[in-house]
Amino acid sequence: EAQVTQNPRYLITVTGKKLTVTCSQNMNHEYMSWYRQDPGLGLRQIYYSMNVEVTDKGDVPEGYKVSRKEKRNFPLILESPSPNQTSLYFCASSLSYIPGQGYEQYFGPGTRLTVT
Amino acid sequence: KQEVTQIPAALSVPEGENLVLNCSFTDSAIYNLQWFRQDPGKGLTSLLLIQSSQREQTSGRLNASLDKSSGRSTLYIAASQPGDSATYLCAVRLGAAGNKLTFGGGTRVLVKP
Repeated sequence: EAQVTQNPRYLITVTGKKLTVTCSQNMNHEYMSWYRQDPGLGLRQIYYSMNVEVTDKGDVPEGYKVSRKEKRNFPLILESPSPNQTSLYFCASSLSYIPGQGYEQYFGPGTRLTVT
Repeated sequence: KQEVTQIPAALSVPEGENLVLNCSFTDSAIYNLQWFRQDPGKGLTSLLLIQSSQREQTSGRLNASLDKSSGRSTLYIAASQPGDSATYLCAVRLGAAGNKLTFGGGTRVLVKP
């Protein structure tokens, strides 16, 4: 089954304790991305990757790191989490785009992170 | 900067009534527009994708239109059912920003039996 998976789905942690949220897709997609969703602010892009070893900042990258060593995986790393990073996080993937149009994006089930 | 707005923020209709959800965007230079459904605490399910060259897309009871010149898209859901209760999000993709999607705030729909 074609899908985007995230782990863990729920996580409660404390300020400053490094954590990694994994994202994996089995559709051979070049493009992967991380979003966070907050009440009143909607979904905002954190980082994205156009292909292996190619990553770039989205709208709200502060406090996050990513890596793209393999095509299927795109982990999100919080080196020193803070309470303002409490949020619902989504990973997404799609085929890379061609000029003038784009492909459908597929989203993972979400990771609910609470930082105390 | 692209801004995407969805009005109303919430909508309640009796079962069987047609749903009309609106999405507006400020920059008409989009590559495509995607409609999603989100159930409480869950992920996003893609409903329809409309390329910038298209005027509408249909899937079952769903129909989405796109008018780039006026910066608007409308999602129609025919003969609504209680199972259609969810939040509906529209998102636009600008070519200059890679594949980034800019999301609207969503419309929360309740279909009453």
